Amino acid sequence: AQSVTQLGSHVSVSEGALVLLRCNYSSSVPPYLFWYVQYPNQGLQLLLKYTTGATLVKGINGFEAEFKKSETSFHLTKPSAHMSDAAEYFCAVSDRSQGGKLIFGQGTELSVKP
Amino acid sequence: DTGVSQNPRHKITKRGQNVTFRCDPISEHNRLYWYRQTLGQGPEFLTYFQNEAQLEKSRLLSDRFSAERPKGSFSTLEIQRTEQGDSAMYLCASSRDGFNQPQHFGDGTRLSIL
Repeated sequence: AQSVTQLGSHVSVSEGALVLLRCNYSSSVPPYLFWYVQYPNQGLQLLLKYTTGATLVKGINGFEAEFKKSETSFHLTKPSAHMSDAAEYFCAVSDRSQGGKLIFGQGTELSVKP
Repeated sequence: DTGVSQNPRHKITKRGQNVTFRCDPISEHNRLYWYRQTLGQGPEFLTYFQNEAQLEKSRLLSDRFSAERPKGSFSTLEIQRTEQGDSAMYLCASSRDGFNQPQHFGDGTRLSIL
């Protein structure tokens, strides 16, 4: 069975500092991986995805993530945090054995201090 | 691309009442998914449709829950005899065919059981 673990339920950074949100996955098949962001009382917005090809993927709002098969990781980074980045971030893996449903981690709440 | 639309945004009801939520997916998307999200957790899969066919249901979907997608367009999720534990955000997502296709989420329906 596939699973996702996000290390750290809360991460706090200063404005302008590096953002690093950690995600590890478990999958018996090559994974399709996604990062989503959720603002309060809203749905999830896709930040970026990895399916095949280049292991460093770039997304919206300056975020990027690197797929590392040997470490079963897909960590999300942004060089310089902005106040508007404060939100909940979810890592997810697509369950290719059953219809492509997404299996989500528990989320990481990012706070940005001025 | 007008996005995924969910109605209502909020629903407050008394325990034991029936409720129905509607989801209008992105028009060219064949797949439609329902998820449930409780406070501080990642979304959990409930069920999904390929066109009008319901192809998978989670164990979370008790016999009080029923979902339909009668013409392969919009979908409804009904909960009968609501219980306190049903209080959650119900999210709908749609995608094109393919496990590597990203799911696009609506803003959800927040259900509160009094």
